[in-house]
Amino acid sequence: GQQLNQSPQSMFIQEGEDVSMNCTSSSIFNTWLWYKQDPGEGPVLLIALYKAGELTSNGRLTAQFGITRKDSFLNISASIPSDVGIYFCAGSRSGNTPLVFGKGTRLSVIA
Amino acid sequence: SAVISQKPSRDICQRGTSLTIQCQVDSQVTMMFWYRQQPGQSLTLIATANQGSEATYESGFVIDKFPISRPNLTFSTLTVSNMSPEDSSIYLCSVFKGSGYEQYFGPGTRLTVT
Repeated sequence: GQQLNQSPQSMFIQEGEDVSMNCTSSSIFNTWLWYKQDPGEGPVLLIALYKAGELTSNGRLTAQFGITRKDSFLNISASIPSDVGIYFCAGSRSGNTPLVFGKGTRLSVIA
Repeated sequence: SAVISQKPSRDICQRGTSLTIQCQVDSQVTMMFWYRQQPGQSLTLIATANQGSEATYESGFVIDKFPISRPNLTFSTLTVSNMSPEDSSIYLCSVFKGSGYEQYFGPGTRLTVT
């Protein structure tokens, strides 16, 4: 099935640095969501975006819904060791239809 | 959000056998989804399970290999049949809550087939 283009594939950063990752699609999505998956766990919803141009924060995380509705980015400020994990973007075209997922960004934080 | 539990959390199975994975949700939901996540990969939708009707399978997945039951609005099972090492994956169930756009996931079942 279709997948979103997520980049970078992996990142190694120093503790305290800011992180940015993004997701693009060739087609429009009406909702963008960002998830984090820790080893041995299921993905956990971080942020949901519902309107083009919307900028939403959740603590040190900020995500934006691109104005074209074909992209989204996630920023993490002042990274800490517990930010380590895999971050997935996901898109939805309509309610109650399964999400389309990106391939994930694996984040490693060096203390 | 939704509280979703899965059993077993992990298993090691012999090739040719079958394993049934259970998913329990803390509230009634119309649709439940089953995903597979192969090692180092993203999530791939296997099927959508609605209570009272046959599950809808995605391309590449068939009912004979992945039969699904949905006996009520809080419970579903996925069976991985006639397993081969290629079936070694994490299997996740998922539901919609809230607006209908937010999907929540169970903790997953890590399956290893030897």
